[in-house]
Amino acid sequence: GENVEQHPSTLSVQEGDSAVIKCTYSDSASNYFPWYKQELGKRPQLIIDIRSNVGEKKDQRIAVTLNKTAKHFSLHITETQPEDSAVYFCAASGPDYKLSFGAGTTVTVRA
Amino acid sequence: DAMVIQNPRYQVTQFGKPVTLSCSQTLNHNVMYWYQQKSSQAPKLLFHYYDKDFNNEADTPDNFQSRRPNTSFCFLDIRSPGLGDAAMYLCATSRGGGGLLFFGPGTRLTVL
Repeated sequence: GENVEQHPSTLSVQEGDSAVIKCTYSDSASNYFPWYKQELGKRPQLIIDIRSNVGEKKDQRIAVTLNKTAKHFSLHITETQPEDSAVYFCAASGPDYKLSFGAGTTVTVRA
Repeated sequence: DAMVIQNPRYQVTQFGKPVTLSCSQTLNHNVMYWYQQKSSQAPKLLFHYYDKDFNNEADTPDNFQSRRPNTSFCFLDIRSPGLGDAAMYLCATSRGGGGLLFFGPGTRLTVL
C-alpha cells in the first residue's frame, strides 16, 4: 500500500514568515495529493489539492508543488497569520480510492 | 446544503458495551469511508464502501464492523469496545473514489 512520510512534525514560525511542509510518497500510481488543515476537535478541512498532471498550484497565500519523478510534494504558506496555526496533513491516493495520510505537522505561528 | 452528517457527535460507552455510530450524506456520493483518529495522529482508514462493495483494511480489528443499507447511510458498529478504541471517528464520502474526500464533523467516542 501507499506510504506517505511528512516532515517536519512541528513547525514554529514568526507571523509574516513562510512555512514549508514536505511529503514523500511511495506508490508511483498515486495521482491525487490533497492537503488538509485540522484545528483542535474539528474535522480535517481541504485547503488545496493537486493532481499528477500538474506541477504547481496556488491559491492566495497557499501553494503546492509536486515532483512526480522524485515522488515528493510540498505545501508553502506565505505571510503566515495566527489563524494558520493548526495541524496540517498531506495525503496521497491512487486507483484504489483510498487516501493515505502523512503523520501531520503542527504549525504554530508566533505573533 | 449538501453535507455529511454524523450522529451522535459525542458518545460515551462502557467497556465491552456495543455501540453504533451513524453517518448520512446528502451528496449522493457512491463511496463512503470510516476513519479512526486518535489524539495527535493522522486519520487511519478502517474500511470503505464503493457502492455496495465493502472493503476492509487488513489491520482493522474484527471488533469493528460496518453496514451500508443504502447510498445515504453508513454505520460503524463496535461490538465490544475497549479502552484503546476511544478516538474520533470520521466518516467521509467521495464521488467515484477520485480522491476528493468530504469529511463529516466526527463522533468523539469515550470508553469508560
